[in-house]
Amino acid sequence: GESVGLHLPTLSVQEGDNSIINCAYSNSASDYFIWYKQESGKGPQFIIDIRSNMDKRQGQRVTVLLNKTVKHLSLQIAATQPGDSAVYFCAEKSSTGGFKTIFGAGTRLFVKA
Amino acid sequence: GAVVSQHPSRVICKSGTSVKIECRSLDFQATTMFWYRQFPKQSLMLMATSNEGSKATYEQGVEKDKFLINHASLTLSTLTVTSAHPEDSSFYICSAPDRDPDTQYFGPGTRLTVL
Repeated sequence: GESVGLHLPTLSVQEGDNSIINCAYSNSASDYFIWYKQESGKGPQFIIDIRSNMDKRQGQRVTVLLNKTVKHLSLQIAATQPGDSAVYFCAEKSSTGGFKTIFGAGTRLFVKA
Repeated sequence: GAVVSQHPSRVICKSGTSVKIECRSLDFQATTMFWYRQFPKQSLMLMATSNEGSKATYEQGVEKDKFLINHASLTLSTLTVTSAHPEDSSFYICSAPDRDPDTQYFGPGTRLTVL
């Protein structure tokens, strides 16, 4: 199966601080990117997405930045809360690759109260 | 949003037996569903694309005779792990797109433990 990277890096932040989670994606043909949150023992939850014709998109407390030149994606979480503690995955899709969603390596976020 | 369910949520089986995992789209029809496997502290790895009414498409390195996929209706796909071994122990997750193919809804996952 396809995947980008193995083993989860960890980010630890203080409650109330901003978090930035980074991801390098693999396919230069990818044109749609998604961030997912996964809590222990559960399936992934959609957080925010961005298409390749954009470089920034904002949601509630979250912002996604896309740099196609270096194939880099980031997720910014403002005023991080204990409930944000989870594993965060970036994922990519290509309109020429069918409906397949390919997941990146993931980052574990710990929020200290 | 749309809901995808999986059954069972957890299963423990003996080595050599077969285990069937169901993935259902509860309030929408899905001609395509996806099966992922996730080992501890790792990412989700796409195993196969399940196609309603036709054969599944397997990713490179995934044995189609070991992981049997059946998508017999527009709301149900099943993954059967045949002759399971301890190394097949993993978290199996399915997903399905709704009308917008870019929008994926994920199931809650099935934890398989093979003794």
